[in-house]
Amino acid sequence: ILNVEQSPQSLHVQEGDSTNFTCSFPSSNFYALHWYRWETAKSPEALFVMTLNGDEKKKGRISATLNTKEGYSYLYIKGSQPEDSATYLCAFAGGTSYGKLTFGQGTILTVHP
Amino acid sequence: DAGVTQSPTHLIKTRGQQVTLRCSPKSGHDTVSWYQQALGQGPQFIFQYYEEEERQRGNFPDRFSGHQFPNYSSELNVNALLLGDSALYLCASNLGAGATKYGYTFGSGTRLTVV
Repeated sequence: ILNVEQSPQSLHVQEGDSTNFTCSFPSSNFYALHWYRWETAKSPEALFVMTLNGDEKKKGRISATLNTKEGYSYLYIKGSQPEDSATYLCAFAGGTSYGKLTFGQGTILTVHP
Repeated sequence: DAGVTQSPTHLIKTRGQQVTLRCSPKSGHDTVSWYQQALGQGPQFIFQYYEEEERQRGNFPDRFSGHQFPNYSSELNVNALLLGDSALYLCASNLGAGATKYGYTFGSGTRLTVV
């Protein structure tokens, strides 16, 4: 059974704060690591897909890093805004099931004005 | 360009009944996956359909079945509903089975409540 863990489970920050979350996943048979942002009453939206150890991706104020050897990924948000409030999900693809995504339980971010 | 469309958005069923959920993938996508999200958990993989066949299956009982049509749309069927089947059911589409090197496009989900 693949285990994908995210921490923290929830986070409250003030507007302008920078924050980061962690996703840990199996370090063997790695294929890809996805990050999604899921706003209330909307669909999960793909932020990043990372496939290589050492990958760094950036989209505006959000960036992510990947360490496949030790099995973790960090998502960073610089200068959080209220519109960044959402659940952030990571998902691991690997093992013998390349088409399947195994999700963590998510980190719920609330940015207070 | 429409993304993934799911119907219905909400559904209430009684224990023991059967339910069918529907999904239209994003234009240009040929692969559909279904996920179940119970309260407080991340989405759990049910199965994936590609070329009208079930390609991969998660740890779900046979009461969960699906179908993919020639136009790539898909249905998820659940028989003999249990209270524990109450959840948000998400459909995701992408191009090519196993293509997890690309982000999936998700629908907004169907909220199923079993009473």
